[in-house]
Amino acid sequence: EAQLVESGGGSVQLGESLRLSCVVSGLPFTTYWMHWARQAPGKGLVWVARIRGDGKSTTYADSVKGRFTISRDNAKSTLYLQMDSLRVEDTAVYYCARGYNYRFDYWGQGTLVSVSP
Amino acid sequence: QSALTQPASVSGSPGQSITISCAGTGADIGSYNLVSWYRHHPGNAPKLIIFEVVQRPSGVSDRFSGSRSGNTASLTISGLQADDEADYYCCSYVSRNTSWVFGGGTKLTVL
Repeated sequence: EAQLVESGGGSVQLGESLRLSCVVSGLPFTTYWMHWARQAPGKGLVWVARIRGDGKSTTYADSVKGRFTISRDNAKSTLYLQMDSLRVEDTAVYYCARGYNYRFDYWGQGTLVSVSP
Repeated sequence: QSALTQPASVSGSPGQSITISCAGTGADIGSYNLVSWYRHHPGNAPKLIIFEVVQRPSGVSDRFSGSRSGNTASLTISGLQADDEADYYCCSYVSRNTSWVFGGGTKLTVL
């Protein structure tokens, strides 16, 4: 059974850092793009970042560029999101998703990040 | 990149059909056949139900269908069931800046 399990969320203060993880099992991982998306309270989904299967190409949404870093460890089938200089508007549930031909075919259940002023 | 525009809510009775619209622009929905739809029961993982405007993943019921007219995509759910009550999101790839844009989500209530 395909599973994507996020962890690492929590409550932090403005300007602090947090590192999210997403462990993938039951699915091929190495050759696929992986993505992070988020959903602020009461809002819709927003795409955040992506990373190629070999880890050598990344793309970010303008809202997180320069503050967030996406990475992966293919030996551990794990995706990461390092979030620095966190802002109140970064408060959201963060989801990891596998990318396939410009769609997201498998998702995790999300992990909540709360940033207080 | 602005979010795609979806109605905040729709409702229908069991057995009926509903359609959710998703309005975009020529830079996203109107550009490529890269529109997808996701069903999300809050607290659970979102699930892909339509890709490339009209395609259904293996295992997704044929009660779900997608279409597009110009810069607006639509999701139709026929034969509504209680379990269809969820949030639905449209999504489009945006090649101009290599990103994806989602709609604001539509809450479907099965009466």
